[in-house]
Amino acid sequence: GDSVTQMEGPVTLSEEAFLTINCTYTATGYPSLFWYVQYPGEGLQLLLKATKADDKGSNKGFEATYRKETTSFHLEKGSVQVSDSAVYFCALSGYAGNMLTFGGGTRLMVKP
Amino acid sequence: KAGVTQTPRYLIKTRGQQVTLSCSPISGHRSVSWYQQTPGQGLQFLFEYFSETQRNKGNFPGRFSGRQFSNSRSEMNVSTLELGDSALYLCASSHRDRVANEQFFGPGTRLTVL
Repeated sequence: GDSVTQMEGPVTLSEEAFLTINCTYTATGYPSLFWYVQYPGEGLQLLLKATKADDKGSNKGFEATYRKETTSFHLEKGSVQVSDSAVYFCALSGYAGNMLTFGGGTRLMVKP
Repeated sequence: KAGVTQTPRYLIKTRGQQVTLSCSPISGHRSVSWYQQTPGQGLQFLFEYFSETQRNKGNFPGRFSGRQFSNSRSEMNVSTLELGDSALYLCASSHRDRVANEQFFGPGTRLTVL
């Protein structure tokens, strides 16, 4: 079945540091890929998405490129802020419609 | 546009009881999906409803069930609660007929089973 693997956290960075959170997937066909973010006490918010190979999703300074050859969708941000502290989830949806398969989540802590 | 709402936000039950959680999707969204979030298992898909029909189901026992009403509101029910059912239950709604459907999540219902 489909699966998503992402780097375990927590990831602790200083403000303005560069962020990378690795995500790889296993799926049949051509899934759509997503990054969701969860702030404390809240539900999930879509951060960005990509629907086909070489697509780059971007939002709020975050970027991720759909790499089919390496089955990866790594999340990057050039300069993190304290307000980016949250848990980040990589996810995919395949042919089964709206069923999202999530990675285990990566907690990011940004220190001033 | 109002977001996805879930009620109640917090719930405490004892083993053996049953519980019903409610989800109101964003207006115009006909698909509602449910997820269970626990520290040990992470986020796991429970089921999806579209136009009052269950379209997909995750790998959960039959104690977990759901339904969807004609106004797209959805409920999920857990019978004979076990300690391991303690979790954050998230509901998400979307337009099912669009590519790479963005799912909009509610704030969740935190269920504690004692």
